[in-house]
Amino acid sequence: RKEVEQDPGPFNVPEGATVAFNCTYSNSASQSFFWYRQDCRKEPKLLMSVYSSGNEDGRFTAQLNRASQYISLLIRDSKLSDSATYLCVVTLYNQGGKLIFGQGTELSVKP
Amino acid sequence: NAGVMQNPRHLVRRRGQEARLRCSPMKGHSHVYWYRQLPEEGLKFMVYLQKENIIDESGMPKERFSAEFPKEGPSILRIQQVVRGDSAAYFCASSPVNGGNTEAFFGQGTRLTVV
Repeated sequence: RKEVEQDPGPFNVPEGATVAFNCTYSNSASQSFFWYRQDCRKEPKLLMSVYSSGNEDGRFTAQLNRASQYISLLIRDSKLSDSATYLCVVTLYNQGGKLIFGQGTELSVKP
Repeated sequence: NAGVMQNPRHLVRRRGQEARLRCSPMKGHSHVYWYRQLPEEGLKFMVYLQKENIIDESGMPKERFSAEFPKEGPSILRIQQVVRGDSAAYFCASSPVNGGNTEAFFGQGTRLTVV
């Protein structure tokens, strides 16, 4: 089983749609959680951290369920510029904070 | 404060040659990660280093690959006797502390092509 697994893509949605990405992690020693974004195989960039209480940043909402070892990202009112690959990232407390990436989910927002 | 700097951005090597990829972390960052991204695949962890110390190299191939992060200068990922399967994008990331809730910042990557 992969340490971090994401929904297979791609997701093709119209502008204005709401889209949700799911991610599960296998290691209960996971410490911190992030969503990164990668455009056209450029360098990944942090989209948002994920906190236990859930957090929101504009159109983006991240949720964490430690009991189920599950993370989600919700994007509301999708824009064309949201088209990218979204990466679920976990750090492991017992491995010095090593970042473990999911394989990514591709999102394509169409006009 | 310059970001994470990787060079070269593009590197072409013939089979059997050596490839050296450099990564200068952000100022004040003492931890460096290397990741490899093969075409049409996700980011794969290779190695995690602190200055003068390898913390985790569980993702490094057993042969031909080595990494260092000396007290002075950039981190170096070295690939000896490159093969076509080494063609990939190699990304370096840095963070200021060991683990915790701190994000890592990525360089623009080095695209290695083995011909």
